[in-house]
Amino acid sequence: QKEVEQDPGPLSVPEGAIVSLNCTYSNSAFQYFMWYRQYSRKGPELLMYTYSSGNKEDGRFTAQVDKSSKYISLFIRDSQPSDSATYLCATFSGGYQKVTFGTGTKLQVIP
Amino acid sequence: SAVISQKPSRDICQRGTSLTIQCQVDSQVTMMFWYRQQPGQSLTLIATANQGSEATYESGFVIDKFPISRPNLTFSTLTVSNMSPEDSSIYLCSAEGWDSSGNTIYFGEGSWLTVV
Repeated sequence: QKEVEQDPGPLSVPEGAIVSLNCTYSNSAFQYFMWYRQYSRKGPELLMYTYSSGNKEDGRFTAQVDKSSKYISLFIRDSQPSDSATYLCATFSGGYQKVTFGTGTKLQVIP
Repeated sequence: SAVISQKPSRDICQRGTSLTIQCQVDSQVTMMFWYRQQPGQSLTLIATANQGSEATYESGFVIDKFPISRPNLTFSTLTVSNMSPEDSSIYLCSAEGWDSSGNTIYFGEGSWLTVV
């Protein structure tokens, strides 16, 4: 079993839709959770970063962590064609521990 | 946040040659890392670049193939040696940086290598 599981998609939605991207993880020691956005042939860009359980909102993006179920989500409101990219979840336990990445979900927002 | 610059951004390389990728961070950082991302795949950690000592390699990666230098707290290089088509990938430099939630990992734009 992989430490972080993520549906690879692709996920296609119409412009303006609410997008839900999800990951599950197996290691209860993970404390820090990130979402990265990666455009084709570019490096990952940090979108959201949360510590422990709870929600964090930044503009149209909301990151949610449920440590009891080991489930992390990224919600995108009013999705735009420019949101079309691959979204990677990532997590680590803290300090200088190794970061574990999901495989990424490819999102396409149709105008 | 940390701003990370990588060069070259892309290159086409001949089989059997070697290429060195440079990574510059805009501030002093303790931790720098090198990742590989093969087409359609997620990120795989190659090694942790340690300042003043040998890099720490992950399973499946060796120093002879991927020598790494880290002469100071803002700069690192990764060399891909004796390249084969299987080495065609994006190579990503990353470093720790500060977010409002704490320390996290930032990435450079990547170096896209195609080996022919």
